Amino acid sequence: SAVISQKPSRDICQRGTSLTIQCQVDSQVTMMFWYRQQPGQSLTLIATANQGSEATYESGFVIDKFPISRPNLTFSTLTVSNMSPEDSSIYLCSVEAFQGGGTEAFFGQGTRLTVV
Amino acid sequence: GQQLNQSPQSMFIQEGEDVSMNCTSSSIFNTWLWYKQDPGEGPVLLIALYKAGELTSNGRLTAQFGITRKDSFLNISASIPSDVGIYFCAPPRGNYKLTFGKGTLLTVNP
Repeated sequence: SAVISQKPSRDICQRGTSLTIQCQVDSQVTMMFWYRQQPGQSLTLIATANQGSEATYESGFVIDKFPISRPNLTFSTLTVSNMSPEDSSIYLCSVEAFQGGGTEAFFGQGTRLTVV
Repeated sequence: GQQLNQSPQSMFIQEGEDVSMNCTSSSIFNTWLWYKQDPGEGPVLLIALYKAGELTSNGRLTAQFGITRKDSFLNISASIPSDVGIYFCAPPRGNYKLTFGKGTLLTVNP
């Protein structure tokens, strides 16, 4: 399995500012993923972060709004830029890791962001 | 895009009762994952299914991968208060990008 730590666990931010969320994994992983969970909703994939290349964004998400870094195989950051109240969500980091009979996805505890 | 339907949306049950929830899809998947999310936490993997028709148990939890590869169900037997939470099906598409169902909110009354 993989142990994932996210920082900060929560924050309250002013609109128009940016917040960078960090994700640290206790082992080297190839793929890291960032998800958003809006209040009362399910999780939606924002992007896939690969080391040494640009992140791959899902439909509806763009690099200017959610820039991602992946400097090595254990770390990634997601920045939420020029925030508005609609960005208030839980942001979660995920990695795939081999466990038991197959590959599985593990999640950090999430970063609860409130934009005021 | 892929349509993923999870039901029921919510359940209110008495402690000791059994629970069943399911997900259906318009697309075929090669893996089905079931997660539970507690308030303020990230989802935690409960059961992973890798083969069509597979029936897997994890304690009081049982899940099956539908033979058509378009559906899966999760059963919880003899529910207890700590089973409260949101349950998600999340089959992965390529490179382990997960598609999440809308979730089933489970409330267990002691």
